Parts: sequence; structure tokens; C-alpha cells
Amino acid sequence: SAVISQKPSRDICQRGTSLTIQCQVDSQVTMMFWYRQQPGQSLTLIATANQGSEATYESGFVIDKFPISRPNLTFSTLTVSNMSPEDSSIYLCSVEVDRVGTEAFFGQGTRLTVV
Amino acid sequence: AQSVSQHNHHVILSEAASLELGCNYSYGGTVNLFWYVQYPGQHLQLLLKYFSGDPLVKGIKGFEAEFIKSKFSFNLRKPSVQWSDTAEYFCAVNAPRGNNRLAFGKGNQVVVIP
Repeated sequence: SAVISQKPSRDICQRGTSLTIQCQVDSQVTMMFWYRQQPGQSLTLIATANQGSEATYESGFVIDKFPISRPNLTFSTLTVSNMSPEDSSIYLCSVEVDRVGTEAFFGQGTRLTVV
Repeated sequence: AQSVSQHNHHVILSEAASLELGCNYSYGGTVNLFWYVQYPGQHLQLLLKYFSGDPLVKGIKGFEAEFIKSKFSFNLRKPSVQWSDTAEYFCAVNAPRGNNRLAFGKGNQVVVIP
């Protein structure tokens, strides 16, 4: 299993600003992911955070808006840039411990409100 | 890519009632199936999963789910719910030989009235 710490747990931000969310895992993991959960919607994968290389973004998400860092096998950050109220959402970090396709573990999420 | 459908987003029931949440997915190949639960104020956690073998899977807290391949379904059941089962439940699927990313349904918000 894996224990994931996500910071901050919540924030209220002004439009036009940026917020960086941190994800710390208690063990080395190969796969780390960032999801968004908008009100009343399912979890949507933003990107896969790759260690030592650029993140892999899903359709509809771009690096300029959601830059991601993954400096090592236990840590990643997601930045929500130039925020607008439409970015208000819960952002979740997730990891898969073993080979791809096994159980995913989630952080508690960051509840972001943009005003 | 695979997609997941969950119906009846809001479910309200009394303690001791039976619960069944439907989950249908669209993908023709081999899939791994999951149910995740999110209790109020807590993180998502795995309730049960199906990779292969017996299509009737038993998870934690008395939950079970049945994989019916011909119906592309993985419905979640609990014969007698408790107030503590109030939570949001998400069905998820990934295709290990496809793009292998988890696809989630929209979730079921379940409220159990004491």
C-alpha cells in the first residue's frame, strides 16, 4: 500500500493567480497521476507525472495551464496557473504501487475555490 | 478508450435496506474493475476489485460486486446498509492491454438514514 500526503487540503485563490499542490508518498512509486474532480462530475485524469521527464497530458489538458514536476519517485507537484472560477475543483494525487493496472491509492485531495 | 456509466447519482435509503449500485463500462477487451468509496471528509479508498477468476468479488464492510461480462457490468451490492455506509461510491475500469488509465464513473452519492 501507499500513504499519500497532499498539501494544501484546501485554498481560496484570486483569479489570475497560480497555486501549486504538493503530493508526497511514503514509498517509491513508479506511477503518479493527477486527477480533477469537478462538482457533480467523475474524476478526470489530468496527466501522468513521469520521473525525470515531462508529464504526459490527457486530451484537454496542457502543460502551460497545469505544469507538473516529478523530481523523484516519492514527490510531485501540480500547478494550476492563471486561475479562473472554472478551475474550482478538487485536485487529487494518485499512485500505483506495483505494475501498471493494479490498485490505485489516492491522497485526500485539494479543494480549490477560485474567486 | 474505456468509459464508465453509473446511474441514480443520489440514493437515499434507510438502515437495514439493501443497496445495489449499477456500473456499466464500454470496452471490448480485457478489463480490471474497481469500486472506490469516499466517506465524508476522507480520501478515496478501494472497496473491492476484480482482475480475474470468480466473478463474484467480496470486499470490505460486507460489500460485494458481480462481474457479468456479457452485460459489461460490475454492480455493487450490500444486503443491509448501515448509517456509516453514507458515502460516495465510484466505479472505475482500466484496460491493461489498452491505454491502461483508470476511467471513473460519475459516482453515486449514498445517504443512509438512521
